Amino acid sequence: GAVVSQHPSWVICKSGTSVKIECRSLDFQATTMFWYRQFPKQSLMLMATSNEGSKATYEQGVEKDKFLINHASLTLSTLTVTSAHPEDSSFYICSARDLLPLANQPQHFGDGTRLSIL
Amino acid sequence: AQKVTQAQTEISVVEKEDVTLDCVYETRDTTYYLFWYKQPPSGELVFLIRRNSFDEQNEISGRYSWNFQKSTSSFNFTITASQVVDSAVYFCALSEFQGAQKLVFGQGTRLTINP
Repeated sequence: GAVVSQHPSWVICKSGTSVKIECRSLDFQATTMFWYRQFPKQSLMLMATSNEGSKATYEQGVEKDKFLINHASLTLSTLTVTSAHPEDSSFYICSARDLLPLANQPQHFGDGTRLSIL
Repeated sequence: AQKVTQAQTEISVVEKEDVTLDCVYETRDTTYYLFWYKQPPSGELVFLIRRNSFDEQNEISGRYSWNFQKSTSSFNFTITASQVVDSAVYFCALSEFQGAQKLVFGQGTRLTINP
């Protein structure tokens, strides 16, 4: 089945560091990828929709200069958390929408990245 | 705006019991998709089902079954003969039928199956 690889799985870094998270669709092409954030014991909240070759669309309340998204190819989107602070610590999950979606599963999720800012 | 409500924050049952997870949604769209996902402690999201709004047939898959009632805007999920491995957080979600099909998730229900 369709696979989405998200890297790294977890990262711990100091406050002020910028962190890049990659989301790759391994065996399908994805014109659209989504980035979600999940705080402990909370739901997944959509941060932005990433479209290949164009600027990402951010949800209300998400700082586009803080969370830089690049979707340069049909198989790769990156999320960079710039100058990360402890309040950015969270679980970040990407999903990729298949150009030719399977019958019932149009989006495929990565395994997530646990980000801890000290 | 779209909204999904999972009123049950946590449920705890003994193994082999049946358990139903409730999901109520709000949307102004006439066509849409509904989903259920499972999130085990490891964190990844496991797709369970997608249902489109014009198909109100209930679905059964092994020990899992789903009841879609458009009249009450509900899409409930039942696990029969629960097992310890069913312990996880379960999310109900809603998306538009066309367009970007962004997912709107409910708050999730933490299900614990005790041996």
